[in-house]
Amino acid sequence: EAQVTQNPRYLITVTGKKLTVTCSQNMNHEYMSWYRQDPGLGLRQIYYSMNVEVTDKGDVPEGYKVSRKEKRNFPLILESPSPNQTSLYFCASSFSVRYSPLHFGNGTRLTVT
Amino acid sequence: RKEVEQDPGPFNVPEGATVAFNCTYSNSASQSFFWYRQDCRKEPKLLMSVYSSGNEDGRFTAQLNRASQYISLLIRDSKLSDSATYLCVVNIKAHDMRFGAGTRLTVKP
Repeated sequence: EAQVTQNPRYLITVTGKKLTVTCSQNMNHEYMSWYRQDPGLGLRQIYYSMNVEVTDKGDVPEGYKVSRKEKRNFPLILESPSPNQTSLYFCASSFSVRYSPLHFGNGTRLTVT
Repeated sequence: RKEVEQDPGPFNVPEGATVAFNCTYSNSASQSFFWYRQDCRKEPKLLMSVYSSGNEDGRFTAQLNRASQYISLLIRDSKLSDSATYLCVVNIKAHDMRFGAGTRLTVKP
């Protein structure tokens, strides 16, 4: 089954404790992206990757890191999480972001206390 | 002006009603357009792509008006299961998909 898989689905952590949210797609998509969704603010892009070893900042990259060492994986890293990073996170991928729709993972709900 | 704007609603309609959503975009060079559906706290799911000639999928019709820079979604014969938030998504440049804030629809018995 073609899908984008995110893990974990739910995560509660404390300020400053490094964490990684994994994202993997099995559709051979070149484009991958991370979003966060907050009430009243909609979906905002954190980072995106056009291909392996090519990543770039989105609208809200502060406090986040990503890597794209393999085509299928695009982990999101929070080196020192803070409470303002409490949010619902989505990973997405696309064959061609210019013309093709995004396929979303089922989300990670992160709480930082 | 926001790059993609939607009427946030909420839209509260009875079963069987016809409801229409509009979404405007600011970049005339935008290449691709989509409608997504999002249920509470779940991932957005593609409802339909929007083509220049307009397209229909069952009770759903999407249209694109490039001259006025808007896309629309029409839902006929609304069902209770159509209750959700509807997001318009516009590719405004090479790597950049922009999301509208979403329009919330509640269909009531």
